[in-house]
Amino acid sequence: SQTIHQWPATLVQPVGSPLSLECTVEGTSNPNLYWYRQAAGRGLQLLFYSVGIGQISSEVPQNLSASRPQDRQFILSSKKLLLSDSGFYLCAWSAGQGSYGYTFGSGTRLTVV
Amino acid sequence: GQNIDQPTEMTATEGAIVQINCTYQTSGFNGLFWYQQHAGEAPTFLSYNVLDGLEEKGRFSSFLSRSKGYSYLLLKELQMKDSASYLCAVSPRRNTPLVFGKGTRLSVIA
Repeated sequence: SQTIHQWPATLVQPVGSPLSLECTVEGTSNPNLYWYRQAAGRGLQLLFYSVGIGQISSEVPQNLSASRPQDRQFILSSKKLLLSDSGFYLCAWSAGQGSYGYTFGSGTRLTVV
Repeated sequence: GQNIDQPTEMTATEGAIVQINCTYQTSGFNGLFWYQQHAGEAPTFLSYNVLDGLEEKGRFSSFLSRSKGYSYLLLKELQMKDSASYLCAVSPRRNTPLVFGKGTRLSVIA
């Protein structure tokens, strides 16, 4: 069966520090991968998605970046965090589109102080 | 543009029935999803509709009218554990990201 792992679960980082969040999927190949952010009490904001290794589409130009170094690995990074980067970060995967929808990782609660 | 509207909050009584509405205007349509998200947790898949009509799955049902750009999620025999946010999401085209609504926070009271 397919599983998705996301870590860390919680993170407190000072303003200006770097960020690296990692997401890996097991039990499938060539998944579509997504990074979302959810601010407190807000909806899901799509940050990046990838349909293959090295293929990254950015939805929100800001100080975040994403990389997909391996088929089932998706990394979200920042060189210098801002206070506004605080939120709940969710990684998700899908087997293309259709009735499969998304399966989400357990999320990372990031607080920038 | 892509737009999905759903009520921000709803309150319902334990044992009752509640209907959560969702209207959408998207550049295309390849299916509609409902997700449940408990506070502090990741969303989990509830239902998928691509054709008009009602899909039933236990206490939960989801309805779609493509001509009206409208869906609803029906929750029967409400339980306290159903207190959560319910997210409506549309797939505009194959292999493009889902567009999510902002979610409806449902509170189930005794």
